[in-house]
Amino acid sequence: AQSVTQPDIHITVSEGASLELRCNYSYGATPYLFWYVQSPGQGLQLLLKYFSGDTLVQGIKGFEAEFKRSQSSFNLRKPSVHWSDAAEYFCAVGADNNDMRFGAGTRLTVKP
Amino acid sequence: DGGITQSPKYLFRKEGQNVTLSCEQNLNHDAMYWYRQDPGQGLRLIYYSQIVNDFQKGDIAEGYSVSREKKESFPLTVTSAQKNPTAFYLCASSIAGFTGELFFGEGSRLTVL
Repeated sequence: AQSVTQPDIHITVSEGASLELRCNYSYGATPYLFWYVQSPGQGLQLLLKYFSGDTLVQGIKGFEAEFKRSQSSFNLRKPSVHWSDAAEYFCAVGADNNDMRFGAGTRLTVKP
Repeated sequence: DGGITQSPKYLFRKEGQNVTLSCEQNLNHDAMYWYRQDPGQGLRLIYYSQIVNDFQKGDIAEGYSVSREKKESFPLTVTSAQKNPTAFYLCASSIAGFTGELFFGEGSRLTVL
């Protein structure tokens, strides 16, 4: 089955600073890639997804991610972080049979 | 409003007891999922179902069972065979034909006393 690695367990950034969260995947075919965000004690919300086409995808809340096949990566970025972005972020990879696998998550703390 | 409802939100269980977590959706989605979430381990897939009366094991199915008798419902039973059941459980659903957008419930927190 496919798998996802998020190397950073916890990241702290200052409000207004840029953000990049790393994601590496393993999958034998063309991957379907996703970023989800989770607020404490809640379910997950989809930020953005990549299926094919333009490797730079735009999502909600000002987030974007870039698919790099050569590096098996799908890093999430935001130019200027807001305090409300503090949450846990999950990268996921999906397959045609509806099988979805998630990474361990990266917890984002935003300093004022 | 359409969505996914998980119940109960909090559940306490004694060791050796089976417990069933409910998941109901009114989104008319074909696929449904159960994930377990533990700190530092992200979401791990327990079971998923693409269609009524069919389901597949995920990475950590041992000690769990599911049924899919109705499109709207995908209950998860945590059996006494699950050695470490204390966790946050998330149910999700998606449309048929993979699009990747999973809609999640608010989760059920199970604590074994």
